[in-house]
Amino acid sequence: GEDVEQSLFLSVREGDSSVINCTYTDSSSTYLYWYKQEPGAGLQLLTYIFSNMDMKQDQRLTVLLNKKDKHLSLRIADTQTGDSAIYFCAERGWNNDMRFGAGTRLTVKP
Amino acid sequence: DAGVIQSPRHEVTEMGQEVTLRCKPISGHDYLFWYRQTMMRGLELLIYFNNNVPIDDSGMPEDRFSAKMPNASFSTLKIQPSEPRDSAVYFCASRGDSYEQYFGPGTRLTVT
Repeated sequence: GEDVEQSLFLSVREGDSSVINCTYTDSSSTYLYWYKQEPGAGLQLLTYIFSNMDMKQDQRLTVLLNKKDKHLSLRIADTQTGDSAIYFCAERGWNNDMRFGAGTRLTVKP
Repeated sequence: DAGVIQSPRHEVTEMGQEVTLRCKPISGHDYLFWYRQTMMRGLELLIYFNNNVPIDDSGMPEDRFSAKMPNASFSTLKIQPSEPRDSAVYFCASRGDSYEQYFGPGTRLTVT
């Protein structure tokens, strides 16, 4: 089947960089997304990358896409305690269906 | 627009009772999704509708779960009878032409 996979937990120290990884299986994915879920809230779109791009940077966020390996990553520079949340990777497939990973719970320790 | 609206926000019920979760999608969106989130399994897609028609219900755990979308502005997810292992946060999401999915705030269900 077509799956989006990511590890469930990641813990980092405040000030360090966080790297959240994701793998997907649909080679025809057009867009790949990162959603963020704050405690007690729903998911909100954080950033996205078109499949013909390798990298996208937005302030402290860097998205890297390795289309050959079907690997997507989200790097958060200078991670703050306010970045503690669950981060979801998602892909839009050839039929425009969206598939989400299970989410990575990022814990930032002071 | 008020966004995706879910009710109730919290539900506590006893095992064996029927539970009904409600969702109002964003006006004009033709896709509606129901997800379940637990600590152990993360986010799971249960079912989704397109133009009020169920398209894929392969994620529905078992026959105790059912979902309906009688019109474009309302959907329900029903669990009958409920069990403690159904305790989770249930999210509704909707999507339109932009392909960004908008999530509701979720319903936290506790079955005792």
